[in-house]
Amino acid sequence: GQQLNQSPQSMFIQEGEDVSMNCTSSSIFNTWLWYKQDPGEGPVLLIALYKAGELTSNGRLTAQFGITRKDSFLNISASIPSDVGIYFCASLKGNAGNMLTFGGGTRLMVKP
Amino acid sequence: DTGVSQDPRHKITKRGQNVTFRCDPISEHNRLYWYRQTLGQGPEFLTYFQNEAQLEKSRLLSDRFSAERPKGSFSTLEIQRTEQGDSAMYLCASSLTASNYGYTFGSGTRLTVV
Repeated sequence: GQQLNQSPQSMFIQEGEDVSMNCTSSSIFNTWLWYKQDPGEGPVLLIALYKAGELTSNGRLTAQFGITRKDSFLNISASIPSDVGIYFCASLKGNAGNMLTFGGGTRLMVKP
Repeated sequence: DTGVSQDPRHKITKRGQNVTFRCDPISEHNRLYWYRQTLGQGPEFLTYFQNEAQLEKSRLLSDRFSAERPKGSFSTLEIQRTEQGDSAMYLCASSLTASNYGYTFGSGTRLTVV
């Protein structure tokens, strides 16, 4: 079945540092989504990508849809303590139901 | 109504008991999804509704699980004869049919089976 591999699994960084995480798959996808999940809450959509090569920013966040359509990365610049959480990539294969497949997540910890 | 609402937020139950969770989607959203998330993993799709019709069910949804959306608004997810392996966060999400964005998730119901 579909599988999204996220790396790294966890990161412990100093406040102010930039962060980069990525997501790869053996399958081609039409859409890449990046979500953030805080403890005890549901995932919240950060960025959506729809076209190969697309680069999209949302404040300090930047994400790119890989040219091969099999990968995506998310960068966070100048991290702050509230960036702590789990970041998930998710894909949408364009099926009728719009079911999402999620990666295993990258846990980000920020040291003030 | 500004988001997806789930109730209860937490549920502790003894093995073998039945439990039911409720989800109230964003009012104009006609699609409603249930996902399950175990510790350290991403959410996994369980089932979805278009209005009141249940259109897709994952193999994860064993015959002990049943979901309904009787009037196309709120939905319930029932687990019968709970097992310890059912312990997880159960997430509900909703969207508009034509949307190819990710959907809006609720805060989830955390189930612990003891």
